[in-house]
Amino acid sequence: ILNVEQSPQSLHVQEGDSTNFTCSFPSSNFYALHWYRWETAKSPEALFVMTLNGDEKKKGRISATLNTKEGYSYLYIKGSQPEDSATYLCAYRMDSSYKLIFGSGTRLLVRP
Amino acid sequence: EAQVTQNPRYLITVTGKKLTVTCSQNMNHEYMSWYRQDPGLGLRQIYYSMNVEVTDKGDVPEGYKVSRKEKRNFPLILESPSPNQTSLYFCASSLSFDSPLHFGNGTRLTVT
Repeated sequence: ILNVEQSPQSLHVQEGDSTNFTCSFPSSNFYALHWYRWETAKSPEALFVMTLNGDEKKKGRISATLNTKEGYSYLYIKGSQPEDSATYLCAYRMDSSYKLIFGSGTRLLVRP
Repeated sequence: EAQVTQNPRYLITVTGKKLTVTCSQNMNHEYMSWYRQDPGLGLRQIYYSMNVEVTDKGDVPEGYKVSRKEKRNFPLILESPSPNQTSLYFCASSLSFDSPLHFGNGTRLTVT
């Protein structure tokens, strides 16, 4: 059974703090790693799709890195704002598979 | 506007009464998929479709059926719903299987 683990499960930070969380996935037969942002009462929205070892992607204050050899990806948020409060999901796709396996998410709450 | 449209948003039904949740996308996407989300668990894939008339099981297909007769539509059918199918359901589509997913607004189903 393929397992995608996210840590921590939840995180409370103060406005202005920078934060990061982890997604761990099987390192063998890697194809792609997705990150999604899911606000309460809305649908998940794509942040990044990463495919190459060492990949770094950035979108405003949010960035992500990928290490396929050791099976982890980090998501960083610089200078967190209350509007960053959401659940952040990662999802792993194995080579030659059409399935996308999601982690259970990291719930971020940014206090003003 | 490019979107994935799910209907209904909310549905309360009784055990055994067949129901269909519709999903339609207007982006000419090839890949479509259904997920369910339960507390404490990540999004779990029910079924997916690579193209018209091509569907395959995800991780939790039992009790569900799908069809892909047209590229834009991917309905989810529960022939005989049971209480353990009470969940939040998302339909998603992507241009190809290695592109980011676009999610519908979700359907909250309660089976009593």
